[in-house]
Amino acid sequence: QVQLVQSGAEVKKPGASVKVSCKASGYTFFIYALHWVRQAPGQRLEWMGSINTGNGIAKYSPKFQGRLTITRATSANTAYMELGSLASEDTAVYYCAREWAVDFWSGFDYWGQGTLVTVSS
Amino acid sequence: DIQMTQSPSSLSASVGDRVTMTCRASQTISNYLNWYQQKPGKAPKFLIYAASNLQSGVPSRFSASGSGTEFTLTINSLQPEDFATYYCQQSYSVSFTFGQGTMLQ
Repeated sequence: QVQLVQSGAEVKKPGASVKVSCKASGYTFFIYALHWVRQAPGQRLEWMGSINTGNGIAKYSPKFQGRLTITRATSANTAYMELGSLASEDTAVYYCAREWAVDFWSGFDYWGQGTLVTVSS
Repeated sequence: DIQMTQSPSSLSASVGDRVTMTCRASQTISNYLNWYQQKPGKAPKFLIYAASNLQSGVPSRFSASGSGTEFTLTINSLQPEDFATYYCQQSYSVSFTFGQGTMLQ
């Protein structure tokens, strides 16, 4: 069965960086893109970026350009999201999600369990 | 960026009711519209793609329609497990924007 398992909760100080991992199992890793979505407390889901797990090319929301890096390690079937220059507004649950596609339509069919990142001095 | 707006923000209903919620896009997105269900403390669940197509395993009491800028999600004969927050998402552009959600309570 398809599973995305994320690393554990993190507490960081303002200005620091955080790196969250997302380990995939139950399917061929490099066939599906992986996305990162975050959700601040009581807020909507927010798309951050994605990675083509085959060629390693990442795309980023302009909102996070310059402080977000998404990478993958194909040998470990794992994707990583690193967000720098953290501020209190970055406190959120961060999810990885697999992109499912048919013809021209796509959506996120499997999600990780979420990783709570708390930014506090 | 394409903005997605859902209404209402919250909706009160009872088991057995039929409910409808709306999602509007700030520009035309054809039928590149998904719906998700999220329960507290859980990851979203993918319900519907291409505006009206149920994902595998989604009960047939869920239906959706729309095209262009206006979309609806309907749940017939509400079940206890349907009480959750529902999000629409556009997949027309790479920003994959979500709406702010409709909480069904």
